[in-house]
Amino acid sequence: GQQLNQSPQSMFIQEGEDVSMNCTSSSIFNTWLWYKQDPGEGPVLLIALYKAGELTSNGRLTAQFGITRKDSFLNISASIPSDVGIYFCAGLGGDSNYQLIWGAGTKLIIKP
Amino acid sequence: NAGVTQTPKFQVLKTGQSMTLQCAQDMNHEYMSWYRQDPGMGLRLIHYSVGAGITDQGEVPNGYNVSRSTTEDFPLRLLSAAPSQTSVYFCASSWDRPRYGLSTDTQYFGPGTRLTVL
Repeated sequence: GQQLNQSPQSMFIQEGEDVSMNCTSSSIFNTWLWYKQDPGEGPVLLIALYKAGELTSNGRLTAQFGITRKDSFLNISASIPSDVGIYFCAGLGGDSNYQLIWGAGTKLIIKP
Repeated sequence: NAGVTQTPKFQVLKTGQSMTLQCAQDMNHEYMSWYRQDPGMGLRLIHYSVGAGITDQGEVPNGYNVSRSTTEDFPLRLLSAAPSQTSVYFCASSWDRPRYGLSTDTQYFGPGTRLTVL
């Protein structure tokens, strides 16, 4: 089936640092979604992207829909302790047949 | 609104046992789905339902059954548990099936059930 390659798998950062992660696919998608999962909870939608080249912000989070429609990026500026968690990308459309295709997640850990 | 609720939060089973994971939502959503989450992998769709009385298979349906007798409830049944079914299970609901990522098909997830099969 379709797969998304999400990197990095995990990140150890200092509070206040900026964070970047990305997702790539061999297939095109019509929509890219970014979710965050807090420990012990289900994923929660952060940002949705609908058009190639689109750049969308949600507070300190900024996500971009790649112009090839095969990738997406998420940036977090000036990280704070509550940013800890797992960030997932998900693709929709193209050949996904009304099913979300998920990346494996990027685990964000803030160094004490 | 409680949103999407799942019970139990944790469960340990022996190989061969059966059990039902419960999922309920109070948002009157038509679309409900079950995912499993395994380390190093994305969420994988097990079964989904587009409305009461209608269910269909997702990517990894083997060993699981579902039913949708009401709009609110969507239980997942493990028929004969196997160690390969050790996972975290999430239930999700939305107004519509995933189409465009709009607010009408934004999925709301429950807190998950952590299942261990020995």
